[in-house]
Amino acid sequence: AQSVTQLGSHVSVSEGALVLLRCNYSSSVPPYLFWYVQYPNQGLQLLLKYTTGATLVKGINGFEAEFKKSETSFHLTKPSAHMSDAAEYFCAVSVPGTGRRALTFGSGTRLQVQP
Amino acid sequence: NAGVTQTPKFQVLKTGQSMTLQCAQDMNHEYMSWYRQDPGMGLRLIHYSVGAGITDQGEVPNGYNVSRSTTEDFPLRLLSAAPSQTSVYFCASSYAGTNEQFFGPGTRLTVL
Repeated sequence: AQSVTQLGSHVSVSEGALVLLRCNYSSSVPPYLFWYVQYPNQGLQLLLKYTTGATLVKGINGFEAEFKKSETSFHLTKPSAHMSDAAEYFCAVSVPGTGRRALTFGSGTRLQVQP
Repeated sequence: NAGVTQTPKFQVLKTGQSMTLQCAQDMNHEYMSWYRQDPGMGLRLIHYSVGAGITDQGEVPNGYNVSRSTTEDFPLRLLSAAPSQTSVYFCASSYAGTNEQFFGPGTRLTVL
């Protein structure tokens, strides 16, 4: 069965600093990987996804993530944090060929941006 | 398109009461899912459906029932509410392929 681990339930950075949110997955076959963002009292919005092809994926709001099969990782980065990036971020995995038409989510990382 | 809609936005129940959370999508997606979100636990899958008349259990199905009579609607029923079901509930839909989920705005449920 697939699983997702997000290291760090809370991450705090200064405005303008690098954002790095960590995600490791477990899957017996190459998975599809997702990052979602949730702003306070809102639903989840897709930031970016990896399915096949280029392992460096660019998403909305300047975020990107790199699929590293050898490290089973899909870390999310942004070169320069903005105050508006403060939110909770979820990594998720889908394993093709299982018939399960839903995602498995990590426990989330809350990003705080200090002025 | 409205996307995925959920009603109600907020609900307070007493232990033992029953209720139905409504979910509808207008994107003609085959697949629909219900998740619950609890602090520190991410989103956990309750039930999902791969088409009208076909449903299956997720990781935390106990205490919840679902049915899917149409492509558009996927209601979640709480038969006898318990305080452990206090949570935020999200409905999502997806199409064949990567299982990218399109989420509704959520229902915040409190069971006293």
